[in-house]
Amino acid sequence: KAGVTQTPRYLIKTRGQQVTLSCSPISGHRSVSWYQQTPGQGLQFLFEYFSETQRNKGNFPGRFSGRQFSNSRSEMNVSTLELGDSALYLCASTAVPNNNEQFFGPGTRLTVL
Amino acid sequence: AQSVSQHNHHVILSEAASLELGCNYSYGGTVNLFWYVQYPGQHLQLLLKYFSGDPLVKGIKGFEAEFIKSKFSFNLRKPSVQWSDTAEYFCAVILTGGGNKLTFGTGTQLKVEL
Repeated sequence: KAGVTQTPRYLIKTRGQQVTLSCSPISGHRSVSWYQQTPGQGLQFLFEYFSETQRNKGNFPGRFSGRQFSNSRSEMNVSTLELGDSALYLCASTAVPNNNEQFFGPGTRLTVL
Repeated sequence: AQSVSQHNHHVILSEAASLELGCNYSYGGTVNLFWYVQYPGQHLQLLLKYFSGDPLVKGIKGFEAEFIKSKFSFNLRKPSVQWSDTAEYFCAVILTGGGNKLTFGTGTQLKVEL
């Protein structure tokens, strides 16, 4: 069974631009969560989607948004990039929406210049 | 505010030494608890989890953790570490019924020396 895949793996953007990251969950998994990992703040929850609906949201500004498609693939978008958005963005998938083991992808390394 | 604390940020051990990494959480309700590991250049992987039942849980690669409800703790242990255990370890918590919102501790960087 293929794992969680994330594209692209690396991305370099400049301040003010926007970016879209993609996540394909494990086949059959319907819940997708996104996390931001930085050296200073550690791993922080961004949002969770299940059946194309956002179920949970972390404490991030509105510049961070996401969506999920009918095939469970998910995208997250960050608009008006800031230097502080440089981070590893991780996607995790779960078979069912509550409290189960989350399987993480390799992440997308975003660098904002 | 809900939080997870890992008190050891950097730990250096020699091979065969015993390991204990502390994790305390601050939550008002029933929680599910996890330890994840991130080996250099690899994905986050689940080491072990506690949902209910026996508070001593065993995970992969010889790791175990004990849930002590009265102390709000979920410490990770391994009797004898190996060089290959060098990695970053994260404790994480989910509120029961709270979806999949994992709250992570700040992580402990473990280095095992030969």
